[in-house]
Amino acid sequence: DIVMTQSPDSLAVSLGERATINCKSSQSVLYRSNNKNYLAWYQQKPGQPPKVLIYWASTRESGVPDRFSGSGSGTDFTLTISSLQAEDVAVYYCQQYYSTPITFGQGTRLEIK
Amino acid sequence: QVQLQESGPGLVKPSETLSLTCTVSGGSVSSGSYYWSWIRQPPGKGLEWIGYIDYRGSTNYNPSLKSRVTISVDTSKNQFSLKLSSVTAADTAVYYCARVHLGGDYLGAFDIWGQGTMVTVSS
Repeated sequence: DIVMTQSPDSLAVSLGERATINCKSSQSVLYRSNNKNYLAWYQQKPGQPPKVLIYWASTRESGVPDRFSGSGSGTDFTLTISSLQAEDVAVYYCQQYYSTPITFGQGTRLEIK
Repeated sequence: QVQLQESGPGLVKPSETLSLTCTVSGGSVSSGSYYWSWIRQPPGKGLEWIGYIDYRGSTNYNPSLKSRVTISVDTSKNQFSLKLSSVTAADTAVYYCARVHLGGDYLGAFDIWGQGTMVTVSS
């Protein structure tokens, strides 16, 4: 199984500041044949299902604000929120779909400082 | 737009079988562009993938649950279902159904989720 490890477990950022969440996979999730990283990021607010923000490591889902961006390749990935808004308070998960079993990171709780 | 809705009992006794159904509206489970998946989340914890199925009935299960899991699809009702046998308190969780958006022949992200249904295992 590919183990996904996120850091930090929790994060407090001031409104308008940048928030950065890291995700490391235990093996590469880059498919050489199509040069795609099989990595997604989700946002989960209390009482709601997860919502996909980013897929293929850096492609923003339709309707997701452009303050959210994803980067990285191979085994190391980053979700960045360029200017934190109050509505961004949530738990964020990375997920690999390179191979089954599909696995998620443990989650990062983002709060307002 | 496509919506998914889970349904089923909220309370299951230990050693019995948990059964849930996901109804798809605004789209078709018969589309070859998607897989249909179950994911669960114990209270206060992270996400665990259970398995997925395609419209032909081909399945892929998490090995950690494989011996107890059956996922099936009913294209006539536009539904897919989860059965988890021999449940214990450790199976208490919110169960989500979700759509996997395939990228050609490859897996994709979970792009649409149901609201989730809480299932408690208790006598």
